Amino acid sequence: GAVVSQHPSRVICKSGTSVKIECRSLDFQATTMFWYRQFPKKSLMLMATSNEGSKATYEQGVEKDKFLINHASLTLSTLTVTSAHPEDSSFYICSARGTFPEQYFGPGTRLTVT
Amino acid sequence: LAKTTQPISMDSYEGQEVNITCSHNNIATNDYITWYQQFPSQGPRFIIQGYKTKVTNEVASLFIPADRKSSTLSLPRVSLSDTAVYYCLVGEGNYGGATNKLIFGTGTLLAVQP
Repeated sequence: GAVVSQHPSRVICKSGTSVKIECRSLDFQATTMFWYRQFPKKSLMLMATSNEGSKATYEQGVEKDKFLINHASLTLSTLTVTSAHPEDSSFYICSARGTFPEQYFGPGTRLTVT
Repeated sequence: LAKTTQPISMDSYEGQEVNITCSHNNIATNDYITWYQQFPSQGPRFIIQGYKTKVTNEVASLFIPADRKSSTLSLPRVSLSDTAVYYCLVGEGNYGGATNKLIFGTGTLLAVQP
């Protein structure tokens, strides 16, 4: 199957700083990438949908100025958590979709804000 | 997007067949049914997708009745390593590059015991 990677796998940052998470499709071109957030023992919550070369579409309640998404190429999307606070600590997961209907998910990034 | 309902949890023993049923009463004509598996601190893994009747792959089978208001994921001869959360999702799965937003429900925690 298609492979999606995320970097870093874990990151710890101080409150007030910004953190960038990368999502890459390794063996296919991703026309659409998705970003999710998952809190412990909870389901995945879709944050935003991004298409290559265009602005991301954010789900209701997700602050677009806080969670900056860039989908600069068909294999890379980035999520930047700006001015992070402890409540932003979570498991962030991206997924990518090419010309096939199913989405392939990355391994996730554990963000801890101290 | 159609909402899905699944059992919160299920227990099974090694070697047994496990059937997880999902209801999606408001499924739309264009919607496909997709199942994902998620282990702790990992991204979801695609298991199977179908539109109607029966789909089978090397991992599982998916049974969809004619009215498509429910679906059943069947895992043959489960092992301890099948202990995970299984998500049933309904969304547009048509080929053609359209965005394929998936909304995750609560999922079913399958616990396989020796």
